[in-house]
Amino acid sequence: AQSVTQLDSHVSVSEGTPVLLRCNYSSSYSPSLFWYVQHPNKGLQLLLKYTSAATLVKGINGFEAEFKKSETSFHLTKPSAHMSDAAEYFCVVIDTGRRALTFGSGTRLQVQP
Amino acid sequence: EPEVTQTPSHQVTQMGQEVILRCVPISNHLYFYWYRQILGQKVEFLVSFYNNEISEKSEIFDDQFSVERPDGSNFTLKIRSTKLEDSAMYFCASSHVTGSQNTEAFFGQGTRLTVV
Repeated sequence: AQSVTQLDSHVSVSEGTPVLLRCNYSSSYSPSLFWYVQHPNKGLQLLLKYTSAATLVKGINGFEAEFKKSETSFHLTKPSAHMSDAAEYFCVVIDTGRRALTFGSGTRLQVQP
Repeated sequence: EPEVTQTPSHQVTQMGQEVILRCVPISNHLYFYWYRQILGQKVEFLVSFYNNEISEKSEIFDDQFSVERPDGSNFTLKIRSTKLEDSAMYFCASSHVTGSQNTEAFFGQGTRLTVV
């Protein structure tokens, strides 16, 4: 069965410093992986996706993630945090041939001025 | 830019009442979904819908839930007899069909359902 573990429930960084949000997945087959972001009182917006092409994936707003099969990880990074990045971030997995997304528990990113 | 729209944004209902949550998926998408997020908990999959039938559903999606595509644009989730524990944010989503490759789902803004 597929699952994702987001290792940190809360991450706090200073504006202008790097962001690292960690995600490990468990999947029976070759998965597709996504990061979604949820700003307060807003819906879920896709940041980026990995679907077995390049292992380093670039997304919107300067975010990127690297798929590492040997470590079963898909960590989200950004070189320099901005105040507007403060939100909840979800790592999501879907197995090949399925449609249902499995969400991680989320990481709340706080950006300090 | 095309988007998934949901109405209402917030609905309050009394326990035992029926509610219908409405969604308009992106027009050229063929897969439709409902997810829910109870306050402070994970986003959970409820059901997926394709070609006018349920293609996949979770354990949460029991007999009190039903989905329908009553016309060419709307996709609805009905909860027949609401319980307090149905209080949650309900998200509608839609996606393309592209062979075997999984494509991302596009989510609506959500409907916050409060059962009192």
